[in-house]
Amino acid sequence: AQSVAQPEDQVNVAEGNPLTVKCTYSVSGNPYLFWYVQYPNRGLQFLLKYITGDNLVKGSYGFEAEFNKSRTSFHLKTPSALVSDSALYFCALDNYGQNFVFGPGTRLSVLP
Amino acid sequence: EAGVTQSPTHLIKTRGQQATLRCSPISGHTSVYWYQQALGLGLQFLLWYDEGEERNRGNFPPRFSGRQFPNYSSELNVNALELEDSALYLCASSLLGQGIGELFFGEGSRLTVL
Repeated sequence: AQSVAQPEDQVNVAEGNPLTVKCTYSVSGNPYLFWYVQYPNRGLQFLLKYITGDNLVKGSYGFEAEFNKSRTSFHLKTPSALVSDSALYFCALDNYGQNFVFGPGTRLSVLP
Repeated sequence: EAGVTQSPTHLIKTRGQQATLRCSPISGHTSVYWYQQALGLGLQFLLWYDEGEERNRGNFPPRFSGRQFPNYSSELNVNALELEDSALYLCASSLLGQGIGELFFGEGSRLTVL
């Protein structure tokens, strides 16, 4: 069965420092992977996706993610965190159009 | 272009009542997904509709039901409400056929069961 894991419930980082939010997945076949962000009391906003091609995917708000097939990972990164990046981040897997499988979420706190 | 819209924004019900939540997808999107997000928790998949048909269903009891109308808007009904149904209900749409398109989410409907 397809699944997504986000091993960290909470990530704290100082403003201006690089950050990584981790995601690993399990799927048979080629994965379609996504990152979403959720601000308090809001819906989810799409950040970026990996379908095929270059393993480094660039997305919105200065975020990027690196697909690593051998490690079955799709970690989200930014070189310099902003206080405004503080939010809940979800990694997701498209189950061949059947439904999206979301990870449990990682709460990011960027400290000024 | 209008995004995914959901109504009502907030809904307060008492245990045993019924709740109806509505969702209008982005114009041209044929698929609508419903998710439940309980406070502090992740997203739990409820239902997926496409072209008026229920395509997939999550692990929820039958009192959670819905439908999709010919204009692709959708309704989620929750019967015999229980306290643990209190949650943010998120609707998302996508253009199935792209097959690998992202989901576009509405702002959600917050249901409180007293």
